[in-house]
Amino acid sequence: GQQVMQIPQYQHVQEGEDFTTYCNSSTTLSNIQWYKQRPGGHPVFLIQLVKSGEVKKQKRLTFQFGEAKKNSSLHITATQTTDVGTYFCAPFQGAQKLVFGQGTRLTINP
Amino acid sequence: DAGVTQSPTHLIKTRGQHVTLRCSPISGHKSVSWYQQVLGQGPQFIFQYYEKEERGRGNFPDRFSARQFPNYSSELNVNALLLGDSALYLCASSPTGAGVAEQFFGPGTRLTVL
Repeated sequence: GQQVMQIPQYQHVQEGEDFTTYCNSSTTLSNIQWYKQRPGGHPVFLIQLVKSGEVKKQKRLTFQFGEAKKNSSLHITATQTTDVGTYFCAPFQGAQKLVFGQGTRLTINP
Repeated sequence: DAGVTQSPTHLIKTRGQHVTLRCSPISGHKSVSWYQQVLGQGPQFIFQYYEKEERGRGNFPDRFSARQFPNYSSELNVNALLLGDSALYLCASSPTGAGVAEQFFGPGTRLTVL
């Protein structure tokens, strides 16, 4: 089945710095979703990408789906303390089975 | 509107015991999925139910079972608990049973097995 690898596993930045997490698959993905999980919280849906080369923006967040649909990235511009959490990429496999990566944990020094 | 609700929030059990976790989806959502999240890892898919039928099963032993009721709420049952079953159990609901759709997660049940 589909598996995704996320890098880096951990990232610590100064507030105001940019942050990027990458999601890579050895197989072509039909779609990918991104979720954010705050410390002690539950995953919250951020975005869904389905088209090759797709780019979507949400305020300071930019999501990309690779041309070959084997990788995706999330970039946050000028991080804020509210961005703290773990970011997961997760393609759908089969019915409604999300296959989560191991996540990138973002911590921010104010 | 209320989000996905789960009960209990925390639970402590001993090895060999049985546990039942409950989930109420968002009103109007007919699909419920269960995930297990071990500390420091991403959630792992256990089951999906839609219209009271099992639509998907992850790589978990038969000690794990679930069901969905006519009101679309769901129960996850785990028998013969092992220490390794200690985890956050997440329920997610979706309005449809198939296709790519946003999953709405509940706050989870934190299970500790001693």
